Amino acid sequence: QLTQSPSSLSASVGDRVTITCRASRGISDYLAWYQQKPGKAPQLLIYSASTLQSGVPSRFTGSGSGTDFTLTISSLQPEDFATYYCQQLNTYPPWTFGQGTRVEIK
Amino acid sequence: EVQLVQSGAEVKKPGESLRISCQASGYTFTNFWITWVRQMPGRGLEWMGRIDPTDSYANYSPSFQGHVTISADKSTGTAYLQWTSLQASDSAIYYCARLKTLVPRGPVVALDFWGQGTLVTVSS
Repeated sequence: QLTQSPSSLSASVGDRVTITCRASRGISDYLAWYQQKPGKAPQLLIYSASTLQSGVPSRFTGSGSGTDFTLTISSLQPEDFATYYCQQLNTYPPWTFGQGTRVEIK
Repeated sequence: EVQLVQSGAEVKKPGESLRISCQASGYTFTNFWITWVRQMPGRGLEWMGRIDPTDSYANYSPSFQGHVTISADKSTGTAYLQWTSLQASDSAIYYCARLKTLVPRGPVVALDFWGQGTLVTVSS
């Protein structure tokens, strides 16, 4: 089980935004983060808890290990308004997703 | 360039069968597992299952076991998701995605490339 929080947030361009994901049991660093914009497929942002996927802006950072993880956007840009999901991929499936965090414009 | 191209939207009646596809290109198909993800209207992502295109070994989330079948044709580089008897609750967008590993055949760390999604509508 993954518990993601908050479920939604309102922020302004330039704000620092943090999203958390908590696993019900330790998953080492087998955690990924995705961004999904309306009507589009999700896109991988971060894998192995903290490794930035190629082509993803450096304002996105991931941290954590074990049960507690965070995704931070250092300076929110207009194109970052979207829904964000965490996913655990620890050993054997099923590989569950968090419930999602919708980032909206304040 | 890695691409996963899915088949088009489908409208079906309850009880009908359906197979949707995911055509891979830009990489060696048998080097990476393929997975399927469901997104019901206005809802989050649900992991359904995965398949090894090398030997078509598949495993499923308990939530989907017995209700769908995942298959693959390595000769054409295509993965499939199939239902024998659709229900209205199967109405959703279905995504295929490639499973990323850090070393060949190693532990999966993410879903790195996604198809564009296939909308399935089941209604009488």
